[in-house]
Amino acid sequence: QVQLVQSGAEVKRPGSSVKVSCKASGGTFGKDGIGWWRQAPGQGLEWVGAIIPMFAASNYAEKFQGRVTITADGSTNTVYMELSSLRSEDTAVYFCARDANWFDPWGQGTLVTVSS
Amino acid sequence: EIVLTQSPGTLSLSPGERATLSCRASQSVSSRYLAWYQQKPGQAPRLLIYDGSSRATGTPDRFSGSGSGTDFTLTISRLEPEDFAVYFCQQYGSPPQTFGQGTKVEIK
Repeated sequence: QVQLVQSGAEVKRPGSSVKVSCKASGGTFGKDGIGWWRQAPGQGLEWVGAIIPMFAASNYAEKFQGRVTITADGSTNTVYMELSSLRSEDTAVYFCARDANWFDPWGQGTLVTVSS
Repeated sequence: EIVLTQSPGTLSLSPGERATLSCRASQSVSSRYLAWYQQKPGQAPRLLIYDGSSRATGTPDRFSGSGSGTDFTLTISRLEPEDFAVYFCQQYGSPPQTFGQGTKVEIK
């Protein structure tokens, strides 16, 4: 069964960018989409965007339009989520998950801390 | 977008007791396109139920989902120690998909 493995924690300055990776281990993405969610400390889950790697088709939550880019590298079975113009409110754990309408499995999460 | 409201915010119960969690949608969720997840501290969410009532692989049968339209319920028939966690509902019937704010099931 495919597992999703994310890159490690990041600490970023306000105004900078962060790029988080999500690699499929033990298989490929196939025709499935990959969604990105974030969870601020003690909060619920917020949808960031998604991509169907096979078609390189991405869509983003309106809130993040213009600041987020989700891409895929088929040769390495890896999806990337880049968020720019970071501010303190972007401090959160970012998760990738296979999007089959419901989300399963999930990556382990990547903590992104934005601090001056 | 569809707003999901979960209640109660916190449920204090003892092992062996029955837990009933509610998820109410601001609009009808088409075709029962609702899922439930369990999340423990420091972990990613884990899918429990999809399509309203279908158990995901590995979900114990003490977990059951029901409901339609705007009212959905997750029932845990007898709480085991490992069931104390936060539970989220998610709708995928109308884009964008949205999550509820969660119900924490804590040990009484």
